[in-house]
Amino acid sequence: EIVLTQSPVTQSLSPGDRATLSCRASQYVSSNLAWYQQKPGQAPRLLIYDASMRATGIPARFSGSGSGTDFTLTISSLEPEDSAVYYCQQRSIWPRTFGQGAKLEIK
Amino acid sequence: EVQLLQSGGGLVQPGGSLRLSCAASGFSFSNYAMSWVRQAPGKGLEWVSAISGGSGGSTYYAGSAKGRFTVSRDNSKNTLFLEMSSLRDEDTAVYYCAKWMEGHGDYLDHWGQGTLVTVSS
Repeated sequence: EIVLTQSPVTQSLSPGDRATLSCRASQYVSSNLAWYQQKPGQAPRLLIYDASMRATGIPARFSGSGSGTDFTLTISSLEPEDSAVYYCQQRSIWPRTFGQGAKLEIK
Repeated sequence: EVQLLQSGGGLVQPGGSLRLSCAASGFSFSNYAMSWVRQAPGKGLEWVSAISGGSGGSTYYAGSAKGRFTVSRDNSKNTLFLEMSSLRDEDTAVYYCAKWMEGHGDYLDHWGQGTLVTVSS
């Protein structure tokens, strides 16, 4: 099973700041990685797929990069509504797995 | 508009069984693979199971679900199911059904509202 480790687990930033969230895979996953956003009481929302492709309707301030084992989600200029938990997920090998989550707080 | 409407959660005793349903609309259900993902209270997401599109001839399970959970689909009713048996305390979670993204495999682009399963005596 592939383990995805996200860092930092929690970060607190201000509106307009740049956020960088990392996801490291225990094995090679090529570009088979997605990022999801989850707000309290809501289902997750797909942000990024294939490591760097924005899903439909996702604002341009969200971008993804990386391949192999190291991946990054960048939010270029934080908005208050970006406060959420973010998860990475791999689809390279069964069983699919998620990272443990990274909480982003907007001050 | 894609909609996934879930039902079937509730309180069940350890060792008991439960069937979750996920009624799909707004897309050609039979053409899409589907997944189940769960989230224990205050915890992260855990992938549970997946089923291929069409007849659903291919199914996949997390280790925690293998042998106890069965995923199936009824394309005539546009409905996905998760049959859970031998339930344990640690199966307590919100269960989500989710649709695979078109042309991009196991990325989940639409999710149900979630249904809470509580395993407790």
